[in-house]
Amino acid sequence: GENVEQHPSTLSVQEGDSAVIKCTYSDSASNYFPWYKQELGKRPQLIIDIRSNVGEKKDQRIAVTLNKTAKHFSLHITETQPEDSAVYFCAASPYGQNFVFGPGTRLSVLP
Amino acid sequence: SQTIHQWPATLVQPVGSPLSLECTVEGTSNPNLYWYRQAAGRGLQLLFYSVGIGQISSEVPQNLSASRPQDRQFILSSKKLLLSDSGFYLCAWSVTGNNSPLHFGNGTRLTVT
Repeated sequence: GENVEQHPSTLSVQEGDSAVIKCTYSDSASNYFPWYKQELGKRPQLIIDIRSNVGEKKDQRIAVTLNKTAKHFSLHITETQPEDSAVYFCAASPYGQNFVFGPGTRLSVLP
Repeated sequence: SQTIHQWPATLVQPVGSPLSLECTVEGTSNPNLYWYRQAAGRGLQLLFYSVGIGQISSEVPQNLSASRPQDRQFILSSKKLLLSDSGFYLCAWSVTGNNSPLHFGNGTRLTVT
């Protein structure tokens, strides 16, 4: 089955700096890769996603890149703000089924 | 628009007692349905997923079971809870046959004492 690894497990950045979180997956059948943000005690919420026919996608301060050959994808957050502090999860899915999540990255944005 | 309802929000149950968590989705038909568990400070563990009524796939062998009696209803059950069943249980749905994201319910925080 699919296995998703995620690094780093914790990340601290100064406000205004960039943050990068990296994930790798094992199953070449996976073709959909969403990213979720989870605030303390809340449900995970989708922040951006990418499909395997696209190499990069951007939405304001957030961007995701995908390297299908190497089976890795990354989340980039620019101009970080204190409200970006949360746990971020990557996930991999074949055709929108059976989503497997990475273990999460706790991002702290220091003022 | 689609909405997902999950209840109860919190639950405290003694060891050995039964469990029933319910989830319903509105505004879509034939969704894929999922149950995830999240231990404190940990990641999301897929427990069950369903692509249709009566079709349940189990990802982790345990004392939990799931049922889908109706198209948009997903139930997580246990006959006898263990201390290790404590956690944050999340129901989620996605559109069938399409690369679309998971949408999570608000979750149930279960404490087994």
